[in-house]
Amino acid sequence: DSGVTQTPKHLITATGQRVTLRCSPRSGDLSVYWYQQSLDQGLQFLIQYYNGEERAKGNILERFSAQQFPDLHSELNLSSLELGDSALYFCASSVAGSTNTDTQYFGPGTRLTVL
Amino acid sequence: GESVGLHLPTLSVQEGDNSIINCAYSNSASDYFIWYKQESGKGPQFIIDIRSNMDKRQGQRVTVLLNKTVKHLSLQIAATQPGDSAVYFCAENWSTSGSRLTFGEGTQLTVNP
Repeated sequence: DSGVTQTPKHLITATGQRVTLRCSPRSGDLSVYWYQQSLDQGLQFLIQYYNGEERAKGNILERFSAQQFPDLHSELNLSSLELGDSALYFCASSVAGSTNTDTQYFGPGTRLTVL
Repeated sequence: GESVGLHLPTLSVQEGDNSIINCAYSNSASDYFIWYKQESGKGPQFIIDIRSNMDKRQGQRVTVLLNKTVKHLSLQIAATQPGDSAVYFCAENWSTSGSRLTFGEGTQLTVNP
């Protein structure tokens, strides 16, 4: 158990809908990262938040957004869902996130299925 | 280069043998590397990391080797056990990318009893 929690574990929804994925980092970690894992693209970095502020952005679609709250938990919002958004979404956390040698610990993931 | 998870390389070994999983990383400026293990239905689990100023690092039953000349990383698992069966990913990071990780395609390790 990495100490990172994610809810829900599974999510099934329809195209065009909007969902929210939630992540709680390890105790003491200030950075939260979101990754998408799909069969054809592997593990892809989406976005990083550090102490409430966006720190880095990767291949995140405009339909997706995230935020980190004062208690450091984070939410990833996915809207206007398409079939291709079906994937595993992982959250990771690290102590700082201001250096590239900060170890990231991953949560169990949320499996999103868009029908 | 971004990770492309197409056909997953596989490695099958006998229980008790040593395993070597290889990874070619993409960016010569990468200065931090991590190996993760992912079991079915779970998130990636940190195994071991290495910085670019090192060429070898050992952990419990695992050793990571880094060859910067050819941009190659390997993970050696000693006395492989059935519980080691999983997909193994290497990930790289470089200074200008902040803390984002770029993952390799992964290798499916199967340990036969």
